[in-house]
Amino acid sequence: GAGVSQTPSNKVTEKGKYVELRCDPISGHTALYWYRQSLGQGPEFLIYFQGTGAADDSGLPNDRFFAVRPEGSVSTLKIQRTERGDSAVYLCASSLGQGAQNEQFFGPGTRLTVL
Amino acid sequence: GESVGLHLPTLSVQEGDNSIINCAYSNSASDYFIWYKQESGKGPQFIIDIRSNMDKRQGQRVTVLLNKTVKHLSLQIAATQPGDSAVYFCAENSGTYKYIFGTGTRLKVLA
Repeated sequence: GAGVSQTPSNKVTEKGKYVELRCDPISGHTALYWYRQSLGQGPEFLIYFQGTGAADDSGLPNDRFFAVRPEGSVSTLKIQRTERGDSAVYLCASSLGQGAQNEQFFGPGTRLTVL
Repeated sequence: GESVGLHLPTLSVQEGDNSIINCAYSNSASDYFIWYKQESGKGPQFIIDIRSNMDKRQGQRVTVLLNKTVKHLSLQIAATQPGDSAVYFCAENSGTYKYIFGTGTRLKVLA
């Protein structure tokens, strides 16, 4: 079956611009996660959705970052006034339920480059 | 494809040999651990997990060892194959949805 998909696969933007990154989770997965992966590092947690609500957004670095999941399926990560330091791979994952032992399935990521 | 890191610790292993990848975790309260494999341009892929009430778990060609005393995990890959070339991450969890990932190790399999 289809896995987690993310679009675009690559995004190049200029400093100060606004970007949206999209995640399509596995059908039926209620939990959705966004991570950021900088070069040479492991993924870092950004935000977790259970259904439509953001249950934990403690990993978002600042108020330029925002994410939504209006219908409990597709999610969009939004970054305002992008900065060069925002350049990274943004990974989305989904799982059947919450909790440690619900396997998180990752998408291929969106590589964001801010010039 | 996307490189997950240019300056990761690298382990080079001859094809057919066994590989051992190590990981130190940080939180003594963590009770669930996962090893992930990440190939270039792809997201992390689950390999094997272990709970804190175990010290060893075996899968197909992979074994994870957990030493809670020194907060150390290892991943052993038997008869390493070219397709095993990737970056490997350990992740720890303390009972919630939030995983904390380690830095990662790049495994290179030499023909």
